[in-house]
Amino acid sequence: QVQLVQSGPEAKKPGASVKVSCKTSGYTFTSFDIHWVRQATGQGLEWMGWMNPNTGYTGYAQKFQGRVTMSRNPSINTAYMDLNSLRSDDTAIYYCARRYASWYAFDIWGQGTVITVSS
Amino acid sequence: SYDLTQPLSMSVALGQTAIITCEANNIGSESVHWYQQKPGQAPVLVIYRDTNRPSGIPERFSGSNSGNTATLTIGRAQAGDEADYYCHVWDGRTGFFGGGTTLTVL
Repeated sequence: QVQLVQSGPEAKKPGASVKVSCKTSGYTFTSFDIHWVRQATGQGLEWMGWMNPNTGYTGYAQKFQGRVTMSRNPSINTAYMDLNSLRSDDTAIYYCARRYASWYAFDIWGQGTVITVSS
Repeated sequence: SYDLTQPLSMSVALGQTAIITCEANNIGSESVHWYQQKPGQAPVLVIYRDTNRPSGIPERFSGSNSGNTATLTIGRAQAGDEADYYCHVWDGRTGFFGGGTTLTVL
């Protein structure tokens, strides 16, 4: 079945970088955009950006421009999200999600990756 | 840019109908999607493109979108419907989420 499996939790210090992976299976990796969404504890969902796994084209929320990089490795059906210059308010659960093309909605989500930023 | 406004919380009696709103200027001109999120779980798509249900989502869930308001309607509410609900819009370049509504089933 279609699955997005994310990498495990990370604890980082302020100023560091983190790279989260999102391994896909059960469908053609290059056929559906991957989006990244984060959620701070007790807060709502926040859209971060997206990537076309076929072309590598990316688009980022203005808030994260310059700090986030989304990439992929098609040979292993995996997408990545790099976030640098981490701050304490980056502490959150980070989700990857597949956007079903004709629906324009996120039909499959990863299980989430907890990133904790603390000195 | 969209500022999607949802009520922070609402409650519904067991078996009754819950209507969750998502407001923004001229939201009716966009496609709105709705997600259900239960504690400790990833969101689940319940309505896409205003009115459509993915397979596996009960018919009790329905949506509409017109003017400045999109709505998610949950009929015959059950205890298992207790969750946070988020509306979502894609404007072609950027994604937007509403602040989320916590639904309590009494």
